[in-house]
Amino acid sequence: QKEVEQNSGPLSVPEGAIASLNCTYSDRGSQSFFWYRQYSGKSPELIMSIYSNGDKEDGRFTAQLNKASQYVSLLIRDSQPSDSATYLCAVDIQGAQKLVFGQGTRLTINP
Amino acid sequence: DTEVTQTPKHLVMGMTNKKSLKCEQHMGHRAMYWYKQKAKKPPELMFVYSYEKLSINESVPSRFSPECPNSSLLNLHLHALQPEDSALYLCASSRDYTYNEQFFGPGTRLTVL
Repeated sequence: QKEVEQNSGPLSVPEGAIASLNCTYSDRGSQSFFWYRQYSGKSPELIMSIYSNGDKEDGRFTAQLNKASQYVSLLIRDSQPSDSATYLCAVDIQGAQKLVFGQGTRLTINP
Repeated sequence: DTEVTQTPKHLVMGMTNKKSLKCEQHMGHRAMYWYKQKAKKPPELMFVYSYEKLSINESVPSRFSPECPNSSLLNLHLHALQPEDSALYLCASSRDYTYNEQFFGPGTRLTVL
């Protein structure tokens, strides 16, 4: 089992709809979880950090964490074409001094 | 604007060349990282500097050599690279390794001929 797993996609969502991105992780001791957005040819940009169970909202983005199920998700409301990118889930592996990234989900928002 | 800067943005080098990539962060962070990213793959950690102590991914070949002149600067020295080393090289920083919210620089696109 991979340490961090994401659906590779591609995920295609119509403009204005909700995009839902999912991530599971294997290390039960993990405490910190991050979502990065990466446009083609650019570097990853941190868009959400979440540390506690439940929901965290920032503008059109909502991160959801369920440590019991070892599951973290990202919802994007009112999706815009500019949201088209690859979204990387990253988990801070306890004691390992590193982030482990999922393979990324490619999201396309169709006008 | 990113608070992690990297130079150069693009680099083309031959297999016999020696070159260096530079990274600087302006956030007072105490941990800095080098990653390598190939197309359609996630970033792969190469090195970590935290409180001036180096941690190495043991799979990284010795033709890559990191240097940390101070807590704000991180260099990556390149020597005798192979064409398969062509990739996007990313620098990142975090407050420290226990608070691992990492911020990436814009990257250096490296091509080895």
